[in-house]
Amino acid sequence: GAVVSQHPSWVICKSGTSVKIECRSLDFQATTMFWYRQFPKQSLMLMATSNEGSKATYEQGVEKDKFLINHASLTLSTLTVTSAHPEDSSFYICSARDNRDYNEQFFGPGTRLTVL
Amino acid sequence: GQNIDQPTEMTATEGAIVQINCTYQTSGFNGLFWYQQHAGEAPTFLSYNVLDGLEEKGRFSSFLSRSKGYSYLLLKELQMKDSASYLCAVSDSNYQLIWGAGTKLIIKP
Repeated sequence: GAVVSQHPSWVICKSGTSVKIECRSLDFQATTMFWYRQFPKQSLMLMATSNEGSKATYEQGVEKDKFLINHASLTLSTLTVTSAHPEDSSFYICSARDNRDYNEQFFGPGTRLTVL
Repeated sequence: GQNIDQPTEMTATEGAIVQINCTYQTSGFNGLFWYQQHAGEAPTFLSYNVLDGLEEKGRFSSFLSRSKGYSYLLLKELQMKDSASYLCAVSDSNYQLIWGAGTKLIIKP
């Protein structure tokens, strides 16, 4: 089956530092990947749509200069949280759309970010 | 605008049956998904409906009525491990998923 990995699974960092999260589709190609954020007891919030070889599309209210997305290959997208602050602490989840079937997204296991 | 509605929370008894409803209004429709999400984990796929009718998969079934903009997820023979949030999502005309807020299902012994 389609597998998506995320790395790291959890990270603790100091305020002001930058954190990079990787999302990989392991056995399929994904032109499009999605980045979500989820705060405790809340639903998934789509942050941005990542497109291979082009700029990401950000949802309203998401700062593109703070959440840098790079989708350099058909199997890898990265999200960098720049100058992280405690309010950025959240569960970040990526998903990837299989190029062979637009109708399903496969989710990574998520990355829990804690900013001290 | 686009909108997905589902109940915030439901409670059911172990061994019983529960139905979680979802209504939607979206720009275009390319299918409806149900996902299960346990606390602290990513969502896992349960079902996909694109045509009207009932899809059965073991203890879980999902129903769709496109004309009514309505779906439900039916869980039978409830087990304690079914305690989770259940997310309804619709694929719109751009194949982007529009998410409901999720229904927290609490199973009591």
